[in-house]
Amino acid sequence: TQLLEQSPQFLSIQEGENLTVYCNSSSVFSSLQWYRQEPGEGPVLLVTVVTGGEVKKLKRLTFQFGDARKDSSLHITAAQPGDTGLYLCAGALGRLAFGKGNQVVVIP
Amino acid sequence: DAGVTQSPTHLIKTRGQHVTLRCSPISGHKSVSWYQQVLGQGPQFIFQYYEKEERGRGNFPDRFSARQFPNYSSELNVNALLLGDSALYLCASSLGGTGAYGYTFGSGTRLTVV
Repeated sequence: TQLLEQSPQFLSIQEGENLTVYCNSSSVFSSLQWYRQEPGEGPVLLVTVVTGGEVKKLKRLTFQFGDARKDSSLHITAAQPGDTGLYLCAGALGRLAFGKGNQVVVIP
Repeated sequence: DAGVTQSPTHLIKTRGQHVTLRCSPISGHKSVSWYQQVLGQGPQFIFQYYEKEERGRGNFPDRFSARQFPNYSSELNVNALLLGDSALYLCASSLGGTGAYGYTFGSGTRLTVV
């Protein structure tokens, strides 16, 4: 059973378009972390959100943590080919519980 | 500063064999966690060690074991390998025991069981 559900599982867009991916759960987490993983590599931490309702920006990436601390979204503005990758959300429960990921492909 | 280093990077084993995977955390990090990632899935938690003590264990059979050494490096051992153990094994380190502010992952060991 997956604690975290990520949607959509796969998304392909043109360079310059915007996209939003989602991470939902029925559990409350002390923090939620977003990672990006490229083929053959380990996940790389992008951001950690801790407070319900929190919004964090990392250049063209905007992360939001739901008020109830159960869900999160990642919005990418003007996507670039370098944004291609598997985006993983993970809830902290002493250990990390990962979703299956959002595979994003940005076509030049 | 070196990141999290894992060895070997790739490994091919036969069913029934035993394997040992190694991980060196970032200098100063006292917590090491192990994850298994099969194709098309997110990483699944196997073990966490903090200050050389086991802090958590995921839903994996007793064929999986691990330990942490005084220098905070860690080994993951898998006995009686099955085809289904083929996966990317990831090691992650963090400064504290909760990892609430994020982990640093290594590049992983790709294990293929034939």
